[in-house]
This record gives sequence, C-alpha cells and structure tokens, in this order.
Amino acid sequence: AQSVTQLDSHVSVSEGTPVLLRCNYSSSYSPSLFWYVQHPNKGLQLLLKYTSAATLVKGINGFEAEFKKSETSFHLTKPSAHMSDAAEYFCVVSLEYGNKLVFGAGTILRVKS
Amino acid sequence: DAGVIQSPRHEVTEMGQEVTLRCKPISGHDYLFWYRQTMMRGLELLIYFNNNVPIDDSGMPEDRFSAKMPNASFSTLKIQPSEPRDSAVYFCASRRQSGLEETQYFGPGTRLLVL
Repeated sequence: AQSVTQLDSHVSVSEGTPVLLRCNYSSSYSPSLFWYVQHPNKGLQLLLKYTSAATLVKGINGFEAEFKKSETSFHLTKPSAHMSDAAEYFCVVSLEYGNKLVFGAGTILRVKS
Repeated sequence: DAGVIQSPRHEVTEMGQEVTLRCKPISGHDYLFWYRQTMMRGLELLIYFNNNVPIDDSGMPEDRFSAKMPNASFSTLKIQPSEPRDSAVYFCASRRQSGLEETQYFGPGTRLLVL
C-alpha cells in the first residue's frame, strides 16, 4: 500500500536559518509527490510537485524538494526561513492518476524571531 | 482565475439540523473532490466526481452524508441530521484531466461546528 510518513510533527527554526521538513514515502512504483502548505485557518496551497521529470523540484516562496528514489524520500528545504513560512506542511503521494491523494500527518513549522 | 470557491466559510449549527456546504470548482476542471479535516483523522477524501458523476463515495462516513453535482460549476455536500462529531473543516478541490497533470487545487474550506 502507498503511504507517506512525515518524520517530524513539529519543527522550530529561527528566522534566517535553513528549513528541513522530512518526508518518506512507500510506493510500488515511481509516484507523483506533492508538498502543500496550510496557513492557520486557510486552505491548502500547492508548494511544489514531483512528477518523474527533474528530481530537484523548485516551488513557490523559495522552497524546493529533492526526490531520492534510493532513500524513498522527498524532503522539503528552504535556505532561509521567513516569519511568513510559519504554517503546517503536508507531504502527499498521488494515486490513481491524481484522484486519490494520501496525506502525511503534517509538520507544523514554527519560525522564531 | 478565482480558484475553488466554497461557501459558507463558517457554519455553526445545532445537532439535528441540516447543513449544506457549497463548492464551485475552477472553470474547465473535470474532477471535484470533497475532503474532511479533523485533528484526530487528518485529511480524508469523502467523495469525488468526474464530469458531474460520482465515481467513488467510499469515504462518505454514513448515510447522513450526501453529495451532488448538478452541473460542472456547482456541487453540494449535505449532512442531515448533523451531529457534534461532524464538526470539522470541509474542503473542496478540483483538477483538470489533462495528460499527466494530477494536481488538485483546494478551496479555502468551510469550518463547521455542530453544537
């Protein structure tokens, strides 16, 4: 069965320092993977997606993620955190050609000033 | 593009009342999805439609829940009668059927509180 594991439920960083949000997936084939962000009391916004093209994917707001098949990982990074990055982040694997999304449990990112 | 539109944004009702949530997908999208988000269970797919036809409703919790899509630009999710355990955020999402495009675009959600 396909699944997604977000390794940290909470991550706290200082403003201006790097961000690393970890995600591992299990899949019997090369999946499509996404990161979504949810700000407090808001909907889910697509940050970036991997769909078997380049393994390093760049998204909005300076985020990027690298697909590593050997490690079954799709970690999200950003070189320098901003206060506005404080939100919950979801790693998602897509099944059935986009009709079923399996969500990770989410990682809450806190950015300290 | 206006994105996926949901109404109301907030709903407070009493147990036993009927609740209707509304969604307008992005124009030109062929698929529409309803999700529920709770602290305990995270994000769950309830039902999805393709070209206005329900394809998979296996996530609908029970008969109190029903969803319709009378046309390509409108869908409803109805709970009758509502119960306190239905309190959650309900999201609608849509996507276009186009080659390898699998991205779903989410609306802002409806926060439902059943007292």
